[in-house]
This record gives sequence, structure tokens and C-alpha cells, in this order.
Amino acid sequence: GPKVLQIPSHQIIDMGQMVTLNCDPVSNHLYFYWYKQILGQQMEFLVNFYNGKVMEKSKLFKDQFSVERPDGSYFTLKIQPTALEDSAVYFCASSFRATGQLYFGEGSKLTVL
Amino acid sequence: GDKVKQSPSALSLQEGTNSALRCNFSIAATTVQWFLQNPRGSLMNLFYLVPGTKENGRLKSAFDSKESYSTLHIRDAQLEDSGTYFCAASYQGGRALIFGTGTTVSVSP
Repeated sequence: GPKVLQIPSHQIIDMGQMVTLNCDPVSNHLYFYWYKQILGQQMEFLVNFYNGKVMEKSKLFKDQFSVERPDGSYFTLKIQPTALEDSAVYFCASSFRATGQLYFGEGSKLTVL
Repeated sequence: GDKVKQSPSALSLQEGTNSALRCNFSIAATTVQWFLQNPRGSLMNLFYLVPGTKENGRLKSAFDSKESYSTLHIRDAQLEDSGTYFCAASYQGGRALIFGTGTTVSVSP
């Protein structure tokens, strides 16, 4: 099936540092998403992105978070500065339509020390 | 409160048995998706539903938008069915897919 690739699979950083998580969505998809999952818990929506803009974001999408997709490149989630509570697995997803079927990557596990 | 509630939270099954998982929505859900998260954390797409029913092998899912619920039936459970099942709903006026709390299924011989 369609594949969403995420890089890195795992990153360990010190609190206060910046981190960028990269996502290569399914090639013809237009809508992109980030979700956060703390171990053993549910997937929590962070943000969705379409046509170069944030369409919707949740309360978890703090001011320290930003997303972008420069032309043809990765869809990125940047956290600057990081905090201990940012430790989680971050999943990227994409879909062709606004409420279409979502395809998820394997996740990027972020550990903030 | 939770817009998407799943039940049960955990389920232990013997191989070969049948079971059902349920999601109740407190929002006007328009589409429902079901995923299986394996122990490594990968999410597998199971179903994408507008109101109605779909079947795929030993799995069958239904979405009733009027009564605001969805079900996932597992027939003849196998060891590889173990994992956490999530339902997720999109809703009128929103673009985000909202996830339920998950049902952790453990299938034993």
C-alpha cells in the first residue's frame, strides 16, 4: 500500500535544543498531519496542513511547534525549544482528500532528556 | 470529554473465537477509520467507512452515523490479530481525525 516515510526513527536530545522531524508523504497526497502518541496512550491530533498552510491545530500544538513543507521536500515538524513533556512518538500521516483515508508513517520516537 | 469512546479497553481472546469492538461518538461523525497498531508501534489501515458496512477477510466493520457508533467484528481470531485497535472519526466542520482510546486485544492459543 501507499507508504509514508519518517526520518529519524528515533532521536534523543537535551531539553532546550531544537529538533526537526521529517516526513515524506504519499506522492499524490495533498493533506498532511502530525499526531503525538505517548507510550500506551491514544493518538492525539496536533496539526493538519494543506496548500502551504496550517488548516487546523489542537491545544497540544504549542507556540514552540511549527510545520512547513518547502516545495517538493519533506513535511517537517520543528520543536524549538524542546521540553521534557515533548517526549513521545510523533506520527506523520497524509491523505488525498480532506476527510479521506489517512496513511501513517512508522513514527519518530523523540526522547528529551 | 472524549469525543470518541472505545470499548472494551482490553480484550483477551482464545484462538478461533469471535468478538466485537465498539466506538461511540459524541460528535456528528461523517467518516470512520479503523487501525491496528502492532506491538512495534506501526499503524495498519483496516477500514475506511462512510455510513455502511465493509468486510475484509475475518474482519467486518459497520458505521451507523444516525446512532453515532461503529463496530469492528473479529471472526476466528488468530495470534496475529493481537495489538491495539483504534477507531478514528472525522466530523462535520472539522478536518482532524479524532482517535479513540483504543482496545488492546490479546489472542492466545
